[in-house]
Amino acid sequence: GAVVSQHPSRVICKSGTSVKIECRSLDFQATTMFWYRQFPKQSLMLMATSNEGSKATYEQGVEKDKFLINHASLTLSTLTVTSAHPEDSSFYICSARDRGQNNSPLHFGNGTRLTVT
Amino acid sequence: AQSVSQHNHHVILSEAASLELGCNYSYGGTVNLFWYVQYPGQHLQLLLKYFSGDPLVKGIKGFEAEFIKSKFSFNLRKPSVQWSDTAEYFCAVTSYGNNRLAFGKGNQVVVIP
Repeated sequence: GAVVSQHPSRVICKSGTSVKIECRSLDFQATTMFWYRQFPKQSLMLMATSNEGSKATYEQGVEKDKFLINHASLTLSTLTVTSAHPEDSSFYICSARDRGQNNSPLHFGNGTRLTVT
Repeated sequence: AQSVSQHNHHVILSEAASLELGCNYSYGGTVNLFWYVQYPGQHLQLLLKYFSGDPLVKGIKGFEAEFIKSKFSFNLRKPSVQWSDTAEYFCAVTSYGNNRLAFGKGNQVVVIP
């Protein structure tokens, strides 16, 4: 079945540093990928929609200069958390849909646990 | 914007018990509905989905869900759970033609052997 690989699975960084998270679709192409954030005991919240070859679309309240998204190819999207702060500590999940299948469900990565100290 | 409500965040039950997880959404148009499951240490996986047709949807591992349009609900059921059903379950909704999924807060289900 379709697989989405997300790396790293866990990362600990110091305040002020930047962290890059990769999301790859391994056996399908995705023109669109999605980035979610999940705080403890809360719902998955969509942060942004990553579009291959164009700018990402950010949800209201998400700072685009802080959460940089690059979707350079049909199989890779990256999320960079710039100048991270402890309040950015969260679980980040990416998902993607196979461009070749209409109405196909999203396939999710394993998620990245970010801890900012 | 659509929103999704899941109640009873923590559910604990014994093997062979029946499970029902409620999901209500707020959107008046045509919707696509999903249940995703996340087993401990694994990624989110699709359990079942509804796009159109028979409102009673059969999914993997003996799960089913019923879409009741008049109640804006898409409850998940399993007649007899197993220990391996211990997981977190998320209901999700997207409006027709929209890529963006709205998730509920999830139900943490623990099945005691």
